[in-house]
Amino acid sequence: DAKTTQPTSMDCAEGRAANLPCNHSTISGNEYVYWYRQIHSQGPQYIIHGLKNNETNEMASLIITEDRKSSTLILPHATLRDTAVYYCIVRVPSSNDYKLSFGAGTTVTVRA
Amino acid sequence: GAGVSQSPSNKVTEKGKDVELRCDPISGHTALYWYRQSLGQGLEFLIYFQGNSAPDKSGLPSDRFSAERTGGSVSTLTIQRTQQEDSAVYLCASSLPSGGRLKGYTFGSGTRLTVV
Repeated sequence: DAKTTQPTSMDCAEGRAANLPCNHSTISGNEYVYWYRQIHSQGPQYIIHGLKNNETNEMASLIITEDRKSSTLILPHATLRDTAVYYCIVRVPSSNDYKLSFGAGTTVTVRA
Repeated sequence: GAGVSQSPSNKVTEKGKDVELRCDPISGHTALYWYRQSLGQGLEFLIYFQGNSAPDKSGLPSDRFSAERTGGSVSTLTIQRTQQEDSAVYLCASSLPSGGRLKGYTFGSGTRLTVV
C-alpha cells in the first residue's frame, strides 16, 4: 500500500468547511484513496473513496489532484460531532480490506 | 439487534488472569471481525469469521489469543494469561457476506481492557 502523509492535527470552526489534506506521492495507478474517521470511543467509520474523479456523498467530498499525488477531504459544514481522527488510506480494493491498518491520521477538532 | 454490542465495556484484570470479551453482531451479519487499538495507535486486525469458521486468524498476536463464534452470531475473544501489553481497546465489527470493504462494516463501541 502506498504511504500517506497527513497533518497531525487541525482545528476548524463550527459551520465552516473543513479541508483535510493527504499526500500520497507514491500512489500507483490501480490504488484507490479511502477516507475513514474514528470518533472518540467508537469504531472507525467509512466516509468516502475514489480513484481519479472527485467524489461526493452525504458526508463529504473528495478532491483528488490530476496527478493523484494528493487529495483533500472536504467536510462542507463542520459540526461539533465531526470532531474525530480522520484517516487517509491508499490501496487496491480487495476482499481482505478488513485488514486495513490505520496510522495516526489527522485529529480534527471542531470548535464552536 | 440495532447495532453491534460488546461487553463488558470496561475490564480491569490482573496480569496472568484469563479474560473473555463478547461481541453480539447485527442480526443477519454473517461476517464478524475483531480488532484492537492500543492507546494512541491505529487499528490492528486480529481475526475474521464467516459464519462460525475463521478463514483468517493471521492477526492473532500469540497463542494466548483465541476466538470462537457459535450459531453464526455471538463471538467470544479469549485472552489467556494476560500481559500488560494486552491492554487496549478491543473492537468488534460485523458486515453482510458481501462485506470485504470497510465501507460496509458496523463497529461496536469496544471493550477497554486494562491489565494491571
